[in-house]
Amino acid sequence: QALLVESGGGLVKPGGSLRISCEGSGFAFRDSYMSWIRQAPGKGLEWLSYISSSGVTIYDADSVKGRFTTSRDYAKDSLYLQMNSLRAEDTAVYYCAKVSYYYDTFGYYHYYFDSWGQGTLVTVSS
Amino acid sequence: QSVLTQPPSVSGAPGQRVTISCTGSSSNIGAGYDVHWYRQLPGKAPNLLIFGNSNRPSGVPDRFSGSKSGTSASLAITGLQADDEADYYCQSYDGSDIVFGTGTKVAVL
Repeated sequence: QALLVESGGGLVKPGGSLRISCEGSGFAFRDSYMSWIRQAPGKGLEWLSYISSSGVTIYDADSVKGRFTTSRDYAKDSLYLQMNSLRAEDTAVYYCAKVSYYYDTFGYYHYYFDSWGQGTLVTVSS
Repeated sequence: QSVLTQPPSVSGAPGQRVTISCTGSSSNIGAGYDVHWYRQLPGKAPNLLIFGNSNRPSGVPDRFSGSKSGTSASLAITGLQADDEADYYCQSYDGSDIVFGTGTKVAVL
């Protein structure tokens, strides 16, 4: 059974940077697409990014494009989110998730999240 | 701002059936992208409930069922139980983005 454990959250000042991590175990991490999703206090889920199993393909949501960078380390079975130029509205619980996907007869890819970490809280405040 | 709209809340008595709608558009659900559902218990991470519109992962009871039609999808919970009180989210794909619904809080009366 897949286990994902995030770490690295904390308090950071506006304009600052932070890198959070997610370590995976119990599944073939190197063969898996991975994703970051966040949830602001009392709000819904917001997808941020996904990275392919090879690390070659990375997609970011417009809300974080240019500020956040997703990467992975195969030796450590770990996923990272480097967050720069942080704003108060980036305050949220950040989840990593394992992505499953399939494609249909029309060539459409369908992505969903079959395992989630417990989340790590990032607070941006002066 | 989510492109998938869900009712903010639904409620039902124990044993009853409730449904949660997820309304999209021609660029996501209507374009042919499948819908997936998650349940988030209070203070916990979400977990997968339904994938591919109507498929249950192993371990999810058959009280939960999903369907999709046109630009919308639905999640039905039958035999409502107290521990079904949670937030429920739909998720699909839109253009180049993965998108979530606005979320629905289910209350068991």
